[in-house]
Amino acid sequence: EPEVTQTPSHQVTQMGQEVILRCVPISNHLYFYWYRQILGQKVEFLVSFYNNEISEKSEIFDDQFSVERPDGSNFTLKIRSTKLEDSAMYFCASSNFPSEQFFGPGTRLTVL
Amino acid sequence: AQTVTQSQPEMSVQEAETVTLSCTYDTSESDYYLFWYKQPPSRQMILVIRQEAYKQQNATENRFSVNFQKAAKSFSLKISDSQLGDAAMYFCAYRQGGSQGNLIFGKGTKLSVKP
Repeated sequence: EPEVTQTPSHQVTQMGQEVILRCVPISNHLYFYWYRQILGQKVEFLVSFYNNEISEKSEIFDDQFSVERPDGSNFTLKIRSTKLEDSAMYFCASSNFPSEQFFGPGTRLTVL
Repeated sequence: AQTVTQSQPEMSVQEAETVTLSCTYDTSESDYYLFWYKQPPSRQMILVIRQEAYKQQNATENRFSVNFQKAAKSFSLKISDSQLGDAAMYFCAYRQGGSQGNLIFGKGTKLSVKP
């Protein structure tokens, strides 16, 4: 069964460094999402992406964040200058209208 | 704005028994979808069940069923014949219909299953 994959599974970085989180959505899906979950809290929406552009973003998704679909398979989330409060689990999801969103296994980001 | 509320931070059930997890939501829309996701210790988000608001019939998936009360804006999950592998965080989520908009999650309910 097709699944969403994410790399790396765990990323440790120093405050102020740039990180890129990678996702490979399910191949025939057209809608892509990033969510984050701070430890012990609920899952929060960051951004959605369709037709090579951002379709919606939350207030969390400020200028430090960016997304890109550099080729036909990858979908990336970049954090330009990480802060301590960016430490969280980051989930990628993909879907096709009108089906449910399928989540990847997540990347645990630790900012020191 | 739409909100999702899960009022039970933790629940416990005996193996083979039945447990119901509560979820309420607030929306002014008539077209939407509701979901239950399971998050085991691995933290993977796994879809358990989905319900379209326009459907009156409650969704079922094997041992999992929902009680969808549209007028009351209530969407509870019933797990029958609970198994040790059901132990996890359970998140209720809402998505507006007619689009591929984002999911809005509740804070989750931690379910423990006692042998």
